Amino acid sequence: AQSVTQPDIHITVSEGASLELRCNYSYGATPYLFWYVQSPGQGLQLLLKYFSGDTLVQGIKGFEAEFKRSQSSFNLRKPSVHWSDAAEYFCAVGAMGNTPLVFGKGTRLSVIA
Amino acid sequence: SQTIHQWPATLVQPVGSPLSLECTVEGTSNPNLYWYRQAAGRGLQLLFYSVGIGQISSEVPQNLSASRPQDRQFILSSKKLLLSDSGFYLCALGLAGTRTDTQYFGPGTRLTVL
Repeated sequence: AQSVTQPDIHITVSEGASLELRCNYSYGATPYLFWYVQSPGQGLQLLLKYFSGDTLVQGIKGFEAEFKRSQSSFNLRKPSVHWSDAAEYFCAVGAMGNTPLVFGKGTRLSVIA
Repeated sequence: SQTIHQWPATLVQPVGSPLSLECTVEGTSNPNLYWYRQAAGRGLQLLFYSVGIGQISSEVPQNLSASRPQDRQFILSSKKLLLSDSGFYLCALGLAGTRTDTQYFGPGTRLTVL
């Protein structure tokens, strides 16, 4: 069965600083990997996804993520954080077929001036 | 593109009262549909998912139930609410025919049980 670990519950960064959110997954086959963002009181929005091919994936809002099979990781990055990026971020892994995604517990990002 | 509607947006209910939350989708056919719950400060808990009309899989045994009476309608119900049912309920759809579900989420329903 798949599992996802987001080691950081809460991260605080300064506006304009770079960001990296960690995600480690466990899955025996080729994983399908996702990052979602949730603003307070809102639903989740898909930031990016990895199915195959180039291991560096570009997403919306200037985010990117890199799939590293050897480290079972799919870390999310952004070179310069904006105050509007403050939100909860969820990593998820999927398997082939009609099975639900497995989500991590989320990382809350705070942005300070 | 697909759109997910959830109704109502917020709800305050007394303990022991019934519940009905509705999720409807537009812009796609035969989607997989999901109900999740977020308790305060917690992650996502998958409650139910459905791959077709009348087909419901339950992930967590509890006093909630789900039904899918139409292809694009997913309903979450309870006969008697508990305090622990409070939370943020999210409906999601997965696009059928893809290698795996890319899930898209609705705006959510905030439920407070008093």
